[in-house]
Amino acid sequence: DADVTQTPRNRITKTGKRIMLECSQTKGHDRMYWYRQDPGLGLRLIYYSFDVKDINKGEISDGYSVSRQAQAKFSLSLESAIPNQTALYFCATSDGGGASFEQFFGPGTRLTVL
Amino acid sequence: GDSVTQMEGPVTLSEEAFLTINCTYTATGYPSLFWYVQYPGEGLQLLLKATKADDKGSNKGFEATYRKETTSFHLEKGSVQVSDSAVYFCALSDRSGGSYIPTFGRGTSLIVHP
Repeated sequence: DADVTQTPRNRITKTGKRIMLECSQTKGHDRMYWYRQDPGLGLRLIYYSFDVKDINKGEISDGYSVSRQAQAKFSLSLESAIPNQTALYFCATSDGGGASFEQFFGPGTRLTVL
Repeated sequence: GDSVTQMEGPVTLSEEAFLTINCTYTATGYPSLFWYVQYPGEGLQLLLKATKADDKGSNKGFEATYRKETTSFHLEKGSVQVSDSAVYFCALSDRSGGSYIPTFGRGTSLIVHP
């Protein structure tokens, strides 16, 4: 089984709808992240969490919110989806502390907002 | 702030050709450097890393050397295969604000033809 899972893998929705993307991990890592990927723009950080009680905004948090329900679960919500939130979304984890850690990524959720 | 600059793609090569993907960085501290690879339809996965100056990371025939004097971490492979077709991301992790939040380049697409 995959260490980092994301659901759904694909989602098509309409402008104004509320959407939740879910991420679960079995790696036992404290740190979790949400990124979006757009062609030519690479990965941009939306939110990150260092533990259940620690939530931080990334560079593009406007229009998004998150919930860290447990060490293993980190959800991303779009309260009122808009077309420019159409993108590929990735969840990632890391075993925190220090500069040498690597991140482990989920398979991604492709979101289309019509 | 920290930043990573990668050569723009796509890079198109024939099988068995030599590959170089350039990556330069700016950082306030002493970062660790990473190359991640994203195969079609998948999330990113770590390809190699280096944690201090003059270190060489290597994996699957790929290599990159941490050059502090030129602030570079160029990815090389002597003979590419069709299966190496993917998007490659250079990244750094630095103690910016004590958080070690990774910074990614925009990615370079590699296409290898038979």
